[in-house]
Amino acid sequence: GESVGLHLPTLSVQEGDNSIINCAYSNSASDYFIWYKQESGKGPQFIIDIRSNMDKRQGQRVTVLLNKTVKHLSLQIAATQPGDSAVYFCAEVALTGGGNKLTFGTGTQLKVEL
Amino acid sequence: DAGVIQSPRHEVTEMGQEVTLRCKPISGHNSLFWYRQTMMRGLELLIYFNNNVPIDDSGMPEDRFSAKMPNASFSTLKIQPSEPRDSAVYFCASRATGRETQYFGPGTRLLVL
Repeated sequence: GESVGLHLPTLSVQEGDNSIINCAYSNSASDYFIWYKQESGKGPQFIIDIRSNMDKRQGQRVTVLLNKTVKHLSLQIAATQPGDSAVYFCAEVALTGGGNKLTFGTGTQLKVEL
Repeated sequence: DAGVIQSPRHEVTEMGQEVTLRCKPISGHNSLFWYRQTMMRGLELLIYFNNNVPIDDSGMPEDRFSAKMPNASFSTLKIQPSEPRDSAVYFCASRATGRETQYFGPGTRLLVL
């Protein structure tokens, strides 16, 4: 079946360094991808999204890259800060008859070391 | 905007009891989603509504689970009877018409003893 998965369950980075979180997906028909950040005890929070007709999109300190050839998605966080510590999920959107359903990956725990 | 509101934030109950989780979506959003999150299974979509109508409930575990959306500003997820394996964090999310991004509430942490 179709699935969305993450390569690394835990990523540790030094404060100030750049972070790269990866995600593999298998549904080549997906139209849209979203990155969410989930802090402990909170719900997933939208970070950035990208459509399948794009290969790069930038936000504030974050960049999402999409490589459709190898079905790979990444989230880059510049100058990682302690507040970036969280679990990061990629989500894949598959259009269905009645609306859009998100399929979430398993998540990557980002730990920022001081 | 207050965002998606869920209540209660925490619920502890005994096996066999009825549990009702509540959600108020973001005003103006026409789609509402219920998810369950566990360490073992991650985030799972249980059911979603468009314009108060259930569209896909294939993720609902079994008949013990039911969800309603009587109006555009309120939804409930009910578990009756509850079992220990239902212990999880239940999230509600909403989405605006024509948009793909879902916005999540803070979740309800359910513990069934």
